[in-house]
Amino acid sequence: GQQLNQSPQSMFIQEGEDVSMNCTSSSIFNTWLWYKQDPGEGPVLLIALYKAGELTSNGRLTAQFGITRKDSFLNISASIPSDVGIYFCAGQLGAGGTSYGKLTFGQGTILTVHP
Amino acid sequence: EAGVVQSPRYKIIEKKQPVAFWCNPISGHNTLYWYLQNLGQGPELLIRYENEEAVDDSQLPKDRFSAERLKGVDSTLKIQPAELGDSAVYLCASSIYPGGEQFFGPGTRLTVL
Repeated sequence: GQQLNQSPQSMFIQEGEDVSMNCTSSSIFNTWLWYKQDPGEGPVLLIALYKAGELTSNGRLTAQFGITRKDSFLNISASIPSDVGIYFCAGQLGAGGTSYGKLTFGQGTILTVHP
Repeated sequence: EAGVVQSPRYKIIEKKQPVAFWCNPISGHNTLYWYLQNLGQGPELLIRYENEEAVDDSQLPKDRFSAERLKGVDSTLKIQPAELGDSAVYLCASSIYPGGEQFFGPGTRLTVL
C-alpha cells in the first residue's frame, strides 16, 4: 500500500541537540499528523495540523503543514533521552469518501539520543 | 479511562493454522480501525468500521482475512490459513468519529513459523 516518504530513516544525536525530520507525499492531504511509537506499544499522537501553512508547537515539538499540502516537518528542540523512539508522519483525507479518516503513514524515523 | 485493549499481545503459530485477534475500543468510540504494521514500516489500514458496518475494507486480503464487529463495540480479525508473510504487528485503533483522533492499542505481534 501507499506510504509517505519520510526522512531520515534514522538519527543518532547527543542529548541537547535539535532534531528535524520531514515527510513528503505525491497526494494532497487535509490533515497532517505526527506520532511517536515506543517498543511494544501503538503509536501515540504528538501533533495534528489542519491547515496549509499552519505551524504548531507542543512543548519542545514544532511541526508545520506545508503550503502545497503535500509535505510536513517535525522539529524537536533540546532532545532528551526519553525522546528515543520511532516517529511517524501520517496524512489524512477529509470527509466525503470511503477513505475518510484513513491514515497513510510514512516509513518512520528511528531516533536515538545519547546521554 | 481505559485505552484500546487488544489480545493476545503475542501469538506464535505454524503456517496454515488459523488465528484470531480481539480488540475492545475506547468506550463511546464508534469508529474502529485495524492496521497491519510490518517490521520497519508504518501501519497500513486493513479495515475501518462505523459502528458495525465495514465502510472501507479495500485493503483487506479477503481470500484469507476476515473481520467482524457484530454489536458495534469490540471486533475480531481472523486469518485462515496463516502464511509466513503474515508475520507482523496487528494494531487496532478507535476514534469517536471518522476524522477524529485515533487512539491505538498496543498491538498483537504475530509470528508464523
